[in-house]
Amino acid sequence: ETGVTQTPRHLVMGMTNKKSLKCEQHLGHNAMYWYKQSAKKPLELMFVYSLEERVENNSVPSRFSPECPNSSHLFLHLHTLQPEDSALYLCASSLDRGYEQYFGPGTRLTVT
Amino acid sequence: GENVEQHPSTLSVQEGDSAVIKCTYSDSASNYFPWYKQELGKRPQLIIDIRSNVGEKKDQRIAVTLNKTAKHFSLHITETQPEDSAVYFCAASTGGTSYGKLTFGQGTILTVHP
Repeated sequence: ETGVTQTPRHLVMGMTNKKSLKCEQHLGHNAMYWYKQSAKKPLELMFVYSLEERVENNSVPSRFSPECPNSSHLFLHLHTLQPEDSALYLCASSLDRGYEQYFGPGTRLTVT
Repeated sequence: GENVEQHPSTLSVQEGDSAVIKCTYSDSASNYFPWYKQELGKRPQLIIDIRSNVGEKKDQRIAVTLNKTAKHFSLHITETQPEDSAVYFCAASTGGTSYGKLTFGQGTILTVHP
């Protein structure tokens, strides 16, 4: 157990639904990240938060909306997604930016 | 922005052989290079990393080498075992305003045959 948990582990949603992914880290880290992992593509960084402040938005469409209420929790709010958004969404945390990143188990998202 | 190329995309070896995976990066300011292992259905896990002030780092059967001039770095696994079978990802990170932002390679599927 790396200390990073994600819920739900699997999610199926329609294109008009609104859902949220949750990530929690129990490691006392100050930086948190969202990644997208699609088949046959490299891991893509979506967002970086450092001390609850968003420091990186990697040209992600506005249908993905992150929220970091405190340094232990990170959410990804989803609305009006497209089928091509189906992927594994991974959360990670690190002591600070530039340090080893610990990944959560991911949420397998399917958009129908 | 940074671009990381990883080769080969698949690698098949016999147990006991060595395996080498290579990555090149484009941003000469990159200064941190981790390698992650992802087993089927599991999360990526860091196996070794290297910073730009070091040319080589070893941890038991795993080693990473870095050539800053050529902008490439490699993962070396010796005496491979079936449990080494997984997808391996390299990554590069720069400093400045994008400090801590990892750009990943495409991944290498390593299969170790008993």
